[in-house]
Amino acid sequence: EAQVTQNPRYLITVTGKKLTVTCSQNMNHEYMSWYRQDPGLGLRQIYYSMNVEVTDKGDVPEGYKVSRKEKRNFPLILESPSPNQTSLYFCASSLLAGEVYGYTFGSGTRLTVV
Amino acid sequence: GDSVTQMEGPVTLSEEAFLTINCTYTATGYPSLFWYVQYPGEGLQLLLKATKADDKGSNKGFEATYRKETTSFHLEKGSVQVSDSAVYFCALKVANSGGSNYKLTFGKGTLLTVNP
Repeated sequence: EAQVTQNPRYLITVTGKKLTVTCSQNMNHEYMSWYRQDPGLGLRQIYYSMNVEVTDKGDVPEGYKVSRKEKRNFPLILESPSPNQTSLYFCASSLLAGEVYGYTFGSGTRLTVV
Repeated sequence: GDSVTQMEGPVTLSEEAFLTINCTYTATGYPSLFWYVQYPGEGLQLLLKATKADDKGSNKGFEATYRKETTSFHLEKGSVQVSDSAVYFCALKVANSGGSNYKLTFGKGTLLTVNP
């Protein structure tokens, strides 16, 4: 089944403890991206990757890192999480980056930082 | 910058009622337009899309027409079902000024509840 898989689905952590949210797609998509979803603010892009080893900042990159060492994986790293990073996170991918291509989304990771 | 404005919810309808969710956009360039649906506890799923003016996207009884003159992409369904209860997001996709990113820009979402 074609899909984007995120892990974990739920995570509660403490301020400052490094964590990684994994994202993997099995569709050979070139473009991948991370979004966070917050009440009243909607979905905002954190980082994106046009292809392997090509990543760049989205609209809200502060406090996050990413890497794209292979096409299928795009982990999101929080080096020192803070409570304002409590959110619902989505990984997404598309075949190519162009306008006509919609995203396939993962099921989401609900992160709580206390 | 690029933006999407969609009607605020929540919208509550009875089964078999007609649905319209309004969506307007502002964009530089020529965006593609999308509707996504999010069921409780799940990720977003692509519902339909239109890539150029006057295109009509359709899927599962839902339709939306890309109206460039009114910069709109309203979602419609003739007869809703309880299973259509979800949050609906309008979105646009267009290249940034440097051509290095094609992010989806979303509206805030509209919660639809359909009662039996």
